[in-house]
Amino acid sequence: QVTLKESGPALVKPTQTLTLTCTFSGFSLSSSGMRINWIRQPPGKALEWLARIDWDDDKFYSTSLKTRLTISKDTSKNQVVLTMTNVDPVDTATYYCARSSVRLNWFDPWGQGTLVTVSS
Amino acid sequence: EIVLTQSPATLSLSPGERATLSCRASQSVSSYLAWYQQKPGQAPRLLIYDASNRATGIPARFSGSGSGTDFTLTISSLEPEDFAVYYCQQRNNWPGTFGQGTKVEIK
Repeated sequence: QVTLKESGPALVKPTQTLTLTCTFSGFSLSSSGMRINWIRQPPGKALEWLARIDWDDDKFYSTSLKTRLTISKDTSKNQVVLTMTNVDPVDTATYYCARSSVRLNWFDPWGQGTLVTVSS
Repeated sequence: EIVLTQSPATLSLSPGERATLSCRASQSVSSYLAWYQQKPGQAPRLLIYDASNRATGIPARFSGSGSGTDFTLTISSLEPEDFAVYYCQQRNNWPGTFGQGTKVEIK
């Protein structure tokens, strides 16, 4: 069974750096074709794709957020980490990680999400 | 960036009725469109991918159709557990974008 779970701070102050961790099981990110994505959803708003890391360590970022995001993986721990610098209240959202793959290049499954509030 | 417009914003129906949800793309996405279901407090779940393929474990009452710019998600007979928000997503143009969602509520 494939599962993913996000973790990180519930509250972050403006201008700080947010670090989120996705811990997954049921597959290996070192397996050819595997990918992990980060997606967020501000309260009451639509979903927005943020970043992706592939099994071969290729990395992709949202054009609008590229300068603020860094994604990395620790294959031995089955974890993917997303950092976002200089957060702002508009970054308040539920952050999800989700698997995709070369074979099924859609988001499936997703983690339960973690709500991050940016406020002083 | 491709914009996906979903309609209607809210659909009020009774259990057993047929639901028809629309997703229109600002330019062609070929068949690279998916539908997700999201229930309150839960993560989205993949229902349909590549416009018309049901994901693993998805009941046959869910079906998808369309190509190019116009897509439809149909739920043939609503079950109580189907009342949720549905999002479409395209991946024809990078990065993939999502629609604003259609809420299917109990009438």
